[in-house]
Amino acid sequence: DGGITQSPKYLFRKEGQNVTLSCEQNLNHDAMYWYRQDPGQGLRLIYYSQIVNDFQKGDIAEGYSVSREKKESFPLTVTSAQKNPTAFYLCASSIIQGRAETQYFGPGTRLLVL
Amino acid sequence: GENVEQHPSTLSVQEGDSAVIKCTYSDSASNYFPWYKQELGKRPQLIIDIRSNVGEKKDQRIAVTLNKTAKHFSLHITETQPEDSAVYFCAASKRAGGFKTIFGAGTRLFVKA
Repeated sequence: DGGITQSPKYLFRKEGQNVTLSCEQNLNHDAMYWYRQDPGQGLRLIYYSQIVNDFQKGDIAEGYSVSREKKESFPLTVTSAQKNPTAFYLCASSIIQGRAETQYFGPGTRLLVL
Repeated sequence: GENVEQHPSTLSVQEGDSAVIKCTYSDSASNYFPWYKQELGKRPQLIIDIRSNVGEKKDQRIAVTLNKTAKHFSLHITETQPEDSAVYFCAASKRAGGFKTIFGAGTRLFVKA
């Protein structure tokens, strides 16, 4: 887990503002994921990327965008179109062992709206 | 659609007692079942996992069992301690082009001293 970092730890967004959350990994993992977690709730998949320069929408992609220009980095932008962005955002990357994939999570970014 | 159901949503036990969390999955192609522990404000951390060719796996006080026929798997924590208090997530994963992992909704475990 120490090989996946997220920044910042806390982020404040003003109305109408786009903000970008950073996720970096030095584990040489191919796949990376973004999840949103609301208080007392489970994990909802926003976007995922299985390889550089390719990414797919998850279950709640509206109001978010991503890029995957480098294997190590998978930044998430929360756009002004996301009307209720307050949540805990978790990035993950995964390792494939045999026929199974295990996801490992970053420490998270807590986004608050001012 | 594919889903993973997790029960109970909240579990309270006395220190020293056992705790059991159960999950049911819908996709019979799922072949890997990890369990994560998330402490308050922290990241989910992998605590144990099981593959579809194994029925049970143990690691000290925690164990996971898998019943492929019934499509359910369970986490067992024995001799619970206050530091076991956390939210536990199960997940089911399969190969689908890449891989697809679906998480349960989580169980909040309270261990009372």
